Amino acid sequence: LAKTTQPISMDSYEGQEVNITCSHNNIATNDYITWYQQFPSQGPRFIIQGYKTKVTNEVASLFIPADRKSSTLSLPRVSLSDTAVYYCLVGGSGAQKLVFGQGTRLTINP
Amino acid sequence: DAGVIQSPRHEVTEMGQEVTLRCKPISGHNSLFWYRQTMMRGLELLIYFNNNVPIDDSGMPEDRFSAKMPNASFSTLKIQPSEPRDSAVYFCASTLGGGSDTQYFGPGTRLTVL
Repeated sequence: LAKTTQPISMDSYEGQEVNITCSHNNIATNDYITWYQQFPSQGPRFIIQGYKTKVTNEVASLFIPADRKSSTLSLPRVSLSDTAVYYCLVGGSGAQKLVFGQGTRLTINP
Repeated sequence: DAGVIQSPRHEVTEMGQEVTLRCKPISGHNSLFWYRQTMMRGLELLIYFNNNVPIDDSGMPEDRFSAKMPNASFSTLKIQPSEPRDSAVYFCASTLGGGSDTQYFGPGTRLTVL
């Protein structure tokens, strides 16, 4: 399983765009990149998944450069409710398990 | 669908007692995962099942922990005897396929061992 590295914490303000970068230098050819969000007292929730280039959904965008050794989760115009821990995971399609790292604790201030 | 259901939501017990946590995965999902979360160690995968069969239990901390999945709609995680260091939030998650598929987490069981 590819190891991921992400910042332990980040701070931003309401209305700003937030970018959280994850490093995964030993990503394998068939690995996908998945991001989860966890609010206090809740289980993690799937945000977005991608393989290369850019993926966008109603919540976030995921940017993956050509070498795929890193990825950036982009949250547009954040609000206080986006305060949460964000996890970056890497694993192959059909992989039986993924490993959650320590995540990035994002705090949005008024 | 009601999502992944866990019970109880909170459990307070004394050291040495047996604790049983329960999980009902989403209907039709083939894989089930048990996680433990603490401030110190983060979110740890304890064990996962595929089609009711335990595939990897390497995350189970010790013999005091055991998990079963007697059918596709029910799983238990048992701690016997419990110890204060077992205090944590225990999550169950299920997926349609493997772990790289979207994992749907339950609300968790907050366990406190006194």
